[in-house]
Amino acid sequence: AQSVTQLDSHVSVSEGTPVLLRCNYSSSYSPSLFWYVQHPNKGLQLLLKYTSAATLVKGINGFEAEFKKSETSFHLTKPSAHMSDAAEYFCAGRGSARQLTFGSGTQLTVLP
Amino acid sequence: GAVVSQHPSWVICKSGTSVKIECRSLDFQATTMFWYRQFPKQSLMLMATSNEGSKATYEQGVEKDKFLINHASLTLSTLTVTSAHPEDSSFYICSARDDSSLGYEQYFGPGTRLTVT
Repeated sequence: AQSVTQLDSHVSVSEGTPVLLRCNYSSSYSPSLFWYVQHPNKGLQLLLKYTSAATLVKGINGFEAEFKKSETSFHLTKPSAHMSDAAEYFCAGRGSARQLTFGSGTQLTVLP
Repeated sequence: GAVVSQHPSWVICKSGTSVKIECRSLDFQATTMFWYRQFPKQSLMLMATSNEGSKATYEQGVEKDKFLINHASLTLSTLTVTSAHPEDSSFYICSARDDSSLGYEQYFGPGTRLTVT
């Protein structure tokens, strides 16, 4: 079975400092992995996805994530946080059933 | 990019009434659509998978007679919450899968906030 675990329910960073949001996956086969962002009362916006091509994936708004099979991780990073990055972030995986399984989410707060 | 719309974006209804939420794929055809429910500060919970021209597949614990899903065309799926109660108040998000895309891309609607009084 496919599952994803987001290790932090809440992360706070200062504006201009790096962002790290952690995600681990569990799968018996190479999954497709995704990061989504959700602003209050909005739907989900795709930030980036991994589909077994390059292990370092670049997304929108300066975000990137690295797929590490040895660590079963797909952590999301950004070199410098912006106030507009404050939102809820979801890691998701998709296995053979072509259904997305979501992590529990990480609330990112950006402090001025 | 592909766009999925939902209507309404916000609805308030009285307990015991029914509410219909529409999900449309605007620029692609979607054989498969998904309905999710999201409680405050929580993740998305898949309620059901909607298949065009056939019955929806419901996740365990989701009452199919309460959450009626109709996927009558390749661009429209509807979720009807029947005999709504306050505990049905939630944020409902639909998603449409573009099977014509190489990666079976899934696109999300903006969500519908349901409040049952």
